[in-house]
Formats: sequence, structure tokens, C-alpha cells
Amino acid sequence: DIQMTQSPSSLSASVGDRVTITCRASQSISTYLNWYQQTPGKAPKLLIYDASTLYIGVPSRFSGSRSGTVFTLSISNLQPEDFATYYCQQSSSAPYTFGQGTMLEIK
Amino acid sequence: QVQLQESGPGLVKPSGTVSLTCAVSGGSISSSNWWSWVRQPPGKGLEWIGKISHSGSTTYNPSLKSRITMSLDKSKNQISLKLNSVTAADTALYFCAREVSLIVVVDATQGESSYLDVWGQGTTVTVSS
Repeated sequence: DIQMTQSPSSLSASVGDRVTITCRASQSISTYLNWYQQTPGKAPKLLIYDASTLYIGVPSRFSGSRSGTVFTLSISNLQPEDFATYYCQQSSSAPYTFGQGTMLEIK
Repeated sequence: QVQLQESGPGLVKPSGTVSLTCAVSGGSISSSNWWSWVRQPPGKGLEWIGKISHSGSTTYNPSLKSRITMSLDKSKNQISLKLNSVTAADTALYFCAREVSLIVVVDATQGESSYLDVWGQGTTVTVSS
């Protein structure tokens, strides 16, 4: 299985800040990497697919990038509704695997 | 727009079988998509269980493969998941989701990227005697 290592596991920030979350794949997955946002008790929401493509309706303050097997989710100008848990997921090969999640908390 | 709604028994006894359904509205399960199941134990991360295509082909997570069965009911436009020999470790919130695939070209190589774009709200399964 492809292992997805996400960091940090938690992060504190303030409204208006810019934050970055990193996800490293254990082997090459090309651009087959997605990012999801989840709030407690709710289903995940797709933010970014194919490493850097913003899903419909997602604010432009979210962005994704790739450098080899390292993927980054950046959120600029944090808004109150952005405080949630974020997961990366690879779709290069089954079983699809998720990172362990990054909980973004208000400082 | 497509909406998904999971349902299930809630509480299951250890060693029993849990059967979950995912009703699809606003679209047909016969469309060219795969349909995935994902679960989340309380306070933990997401685990991909497996997927089923519109034609009934399946791909399962090897960690669960011996215990799961996925199927389609086109007359009801719903997807089903059966998990047998359950233990407390199977206690989780179970989601169904639509998988969308697209062809991409990266470094002059064509491939297929996929993502889960529509999710149900989830159904809780608790394994307890």
C-alpha cells in the first residue's frame, strides 16, 4: 500500500493567517492526490483534486502544489469556517490511502 | 445534483454481519462512475473500504477483502455494503461517495486521476454485545 504521511498533525493559527499542510507519498503517485476538509460529525468535502485543481465552488484562498512526491495544501487569509481537519488522499493505486489528518485550530 | 444517503442498523453484535445501503438520488448509479465506501472510527482518520463500478466490478481494500461484499441494486438506484465477522474495531461512521475519474497528461504520460466529489452524511455502526 502507498503510505501518505501528513504533517503537521495539528496546527494553530489566527484568522487572516496563511498556513501550509504537507503530505508525502511513500512512492511516486504522479499528480493523483486530493485534499479534503472535514468538520466534526460531517462528511469530508473535496477541496482540490489532481494535486492542484480547485474543485467547483472552493474559494481561491485554497491552493495545492506538488514537488515530486511531496504535496502541499496552502490556505491564505484564513477565515473562521476554515478551522477544520484536512486530509490528503492518493488515488494512484488501490487501496486508496489517506493521510492521518491535520487539525487546524484557532489560536 | 447527485445526493447520497446511507442507512444501516446502527448496532451490531460481535461476529455478526452489518448491511449498509447508500441510496442515490439526482442521478443514476448506472452512469459512468465508481461508488466508494469510506469509514472513520470515532476520533480517528479516514479509511477507504473499497469501490464498485456502474457495471458491478469491485475493488476492495486488501485489509478487509475477506469480509466485505459490495453490490448494486439498479432497480432501487442504491449501492450496498456487507461486512461480516465484525468486531469492535469495525465501529465507525461509514460514508458512501461518488468517485469521478478524468484523463490527465503529466510529463507527457497519460493517466487517470480520480477523486471523491459527492459524499453521503454517513451512518454510524456500533459493534457491541
